Amino acid sequence: AQKITQTQPGMFVQEKEAVTLDCTYDTSDPSYGLFWYKQPSSGEMIFLIYQGSYDQQNATEGRYSLNFQKARKSANLVISASQLGDSAMYFCAMREGLIQGAQKLVFGQGTRLTINP
Amino acid sequence: EPEVTQTPSHQVTQMGQEVILRCVPISNHLYFYWYRQILGQKVEFLVSFYNNEISEKSEIFDDQFSVERPDGSNFTLKIRSTKLEDSAMYFCASSVVGAPRDEQFFGPGTRLTVL
Repeated sequence: AQKITQTQPGMFVQEKEAVTLDCTYDTSDPSYGLFWYKQPSSGEMIFLIYQGSYDQQNATEGRYSLNFQKARKSANLVISASQLGDSAMYFCAMREGLIQGAQKLVFGQGTRLTINP
Repeated sequence: EPEVTQTPSHQVTQMGQEVILRCVPISNHLYFYWYRQILGQKVEFLVSFYNNEISEKSEIFDDQFSVERPDGSNFTLKIRSTKLEDSAMYFCASSVVGAPRDEQFFGPGTRLTVL
């Protein structure tokens, strides 16, 4: 079964609009972390935002915010006031367990976001 | 700002040849990882490494793969006899113990092309 599901293979948004990228996850572990990474055409993986399963508030990092709905097991990324430079592939990822250790990240299939001028 | 570095950025090899991909994790990090991304697909976990031994490996990480930390700074991934299907981007990542989110910092990747 897919642990991380991103149902939008591609999205097209006008510059300056807000955009929501969907991510749902599946885990039976009560302790987990959720991450969003951006991958521009150059290929590197850029960390954007993190949400822990016990965090009471939704995470925010500048123009990025995470709409965390624990009961629905969703962790959608919201980008406000989109810019042309936001055009990239976006990956949602999960790490199960919050004990110290080398916990792997499990990634979704990604969403390709294109910002139109 | 400290960063993970990887060399080479692009490696072209013939099928059956051995390749070694190199990574220099962030200096105070203790957990190291390799991931791969076949073109157009999602990023997949290969192996994690801590205290000079493998912590976890995926089913992709078969006997053809090995990892090593030969000195205090480098972390390598070796593929003994490359196959066409090993062509992918390989990412090294590292993380620090005890950070609230244990964020994994990724290197820029090595694109491996097997001909």
